[in-house]
Amino acid sequence: GNSVTQMEGPVTLSEEAFLTINCTYTATGYPSLFWYVQYPGEGLQLLLKATKADDKGSNKGFEATYRKETTSFHLEKGSVQVSDSAVYFCALSDKVLTGGGNKLTFGTGTQLKVEL
Amino acid sequence: GAVVSQHPSRVICKSGTSVKIECRSLDFQATTMFWYRQFPKQSLMLMATSNEGSKATYEQGVEKDKFLINHASLTLSTLTVTSAHPEDSSFYICSAREVGGDEAFFGQGTRLTVV
Repeated sequence: GNSVTQMEGPVTLSEEAFLTINCTYTATGYPSLFWYVQYPGEGLQLLLKATKADDKGSNKGFEATYRKETTSFHLEKGSVQVSDSAVYFCALSDKVLTGGGNKLTFGTGTQLKVEL
Repeated sequence: GAVVSQHPSRVICKSGTSVKIECRSLDFQATTMFWYRQFPKQSLMLMATSNEGSKATYEQGVEKDKFLINHASLTLSTLTVTSAHPEDSSFYICSAREVGGDEAFFGQGTRLTVV
């Protein structure tokens, strides 16, 4: 079956540091890949997505590239801010293009804490 | 973006009692809602998919009689944990998909503690 593995947190960084949160997946076929973010007290929000190999999803300074050869979708940001403190979830869907509305397989989530 | 409200955000109940969790789409109509649960340091696991006006589809290993799902309108789905036990303590999250849309929007989750 499908599975998603992401690095355990919490990850604590100083403001303006470089961020990488690793995510690897196991899936049959060609899944779509997602990063969701959950700010304190709020629901999960779609941060970015990629639907095919070599696609790069980007939003709010965050990027992730769909790497089929390494089955990875690592999240990166060049300079984090305190406001980026949240829990980040990597996820996949085995439906092309329509990920959010179909069955999603999630990673465990990685808490990011950014300090001044 | 679309807003999904989940209530309550936290609940503590006694073992053997039932607890109802509501999931509402505030500014859109949702044909499909999803219910997930998350144990500490584990993934969100899909429990069931509910479609408005029909029976929910449960994932393998999820007890239908224990986790009752009702999706009676296009803006409300409820999850009732019946005869709750301490092992049901978990974080429950719902998501809703808009009519004709392909993205699901998530509620803020409910932390259930059974004592």
